[in-house]
Amino acid sequence: KAGVTQTPRYLIKTRGQQVTLSCSPISGHRSVSWYQQTPGQGLQFLFEYFSETQRNKGNFPGRFSGRQFSNSRSEMNVSTLELGDSALYLCASSRPNFAGGYEQYFGPGTRLTVT
Amino acid sequence: GENVEQHPSTLSVQEGDSAVIKCTYSDSASNYFPWYKQELGKGPQLIIDIRSNVGEKKDQRIAVTLNKTAKHFSLHITETQPEDSAVYFCAGTPSQGNLIFGKGTKLSVKP
Repeated sequence: KAGVTQTPRYLIKTRGQQVTLSCSPISGHRSVSWYQQTPGQGLQFLFEYFSETQRNKGNFPGRFSGRQFSNSRSEMNVSTLELGDSALYLCASSRPNFAGGYEQYFGPGTRLTVT
Repeated sequence: GENVEQHPSTLSVQEGDSAVIKCTYSDSASNYFPWYKQELGKGPQLIIDIRSNVGEKKDQRIAVTLNKTAKHFSLHITETQPEDSAVYFCAGTPSQGNLIFGKGTKLSVKP
């Protein structure tokens, strides 16, 4: 079974630009979560989508947005990029299990550098 | 909201020794606690998890314990090997799809 895939793997953008990152979940998984990882703040939750609806949202400004398509693929967008947005952006997919757990499986991430 | 604290931030052990990483959480609503291993250049990999109705879970050399009353849980790795060297993260789950991570522990296993 293929894992979570993220494209592109690396990206360099300039301040003020916008960027779109893509995530394809594991087949059969309907929930997709996004995280930002930086050396200073660690792993921080951005938002989660389930069945094309945003179900949870972290504490990030409105410049960070996302969406999910009917095939469960998800995209996240960052507008008006700032230097501080440089980070590894991770996508994770999950499906509910009978025990009520929410195992999340991560992709390799997209490394975004803002100059 | 949920806050997860993780200690230590770095841990160095000799090959064959045991390693223990501890986490505390604040939100009583959290009922699922996964542990992830992240190697350089890769995304976090789920290695073991525990639910709040279970006190201990073991998978070969890895075990996790949970004390729900004290709100802390720990990862135990026995007979450590050089390939166990990585950054380990604990997490709490106050709501489905939302993991709140600790700051991570960099484990170094010296041969």
